[in-house]
Amino acid sequence: EAGVTQFPSHSVIEKGQTVTLRCDPISGHDNLYWYRRVMGKEIKFLLHFVKESKQDESGMPNNRFLAERTGGTYSTLKVQPAELEDSGVYFCASSATWGGSPLHFGNGTRLTVT
Amino acid sequence: QKEVEQDPGPLSVPEGAIVSLNCTYSNSAFQYFMWYRQYSRKGPELLMYTYSSGNKEDGRFTAQVDKSSKYISLFIRDSQPSDSATYLCAPRGGSQGNLIFGKGTKLSVKP
Repeated sequence: EAGVTQFPSHSVIEKGQTVTLRCDPISGHDNLYWYRRVMGKEIKFLLHFVKESKQDESGMPNNRFLAERTGGTYSTLKVQPAELEDSGVYFCASSATWGGSPLHFGNGTRLTVT
Repeated sequence: QKEVEQDPGPLSVPEGAIVSLNCTYSNSAFQYFMWYRQYSRKGPELLMYTYSSGNKEDGRFTAQVDKSSKYISLFIRDSQPSDSATYLCAPRGGSQGNLIFGKGTKLSVKP
């Protein structure tokens, strides 16, 4: 079984530019999550999709972040325009069910905004 | 008070030692408790997954949850150099999909 896949693994952009991160969950997993770890801090929740619907986006920092999951398969997270404080590692995870099954994480996208 | 507190270490032990990793949490609604292992430049890898209080054993790893004291533990027996990684505790409420992570404890097992 293929795991959660994230692209790109690393992205370096300038402040003000746009970046789009992609996540392919484990096949058949309806639940998809985005998390972020900024330097020296804990991994923090951003949002949760159930199929193509946003179940919880309480962790999204501001309206510069836009997440989509068209068709309920892969997801994208766009940051526009990027700011310096957006630098960090963005993790995607998926789970088969909502409350009872564990989350499986991808290797993350390391975003550096200069 | 943070929802999950975890000593960041670093923790260094000799090969073969028993390792004890711990977390405390504040939210009594947490029902599911996960431990993840994270190697450098990799994503968190699920290690142990328990529901409510009690023990769960998987090979050299044992997870313990004491909901009355809001205390989570992970024990590693016969530790190996390959166990060197950051260990993250992550409780989760039953009605929520999101995990709450501790900062992680960096473990180094010396040969």
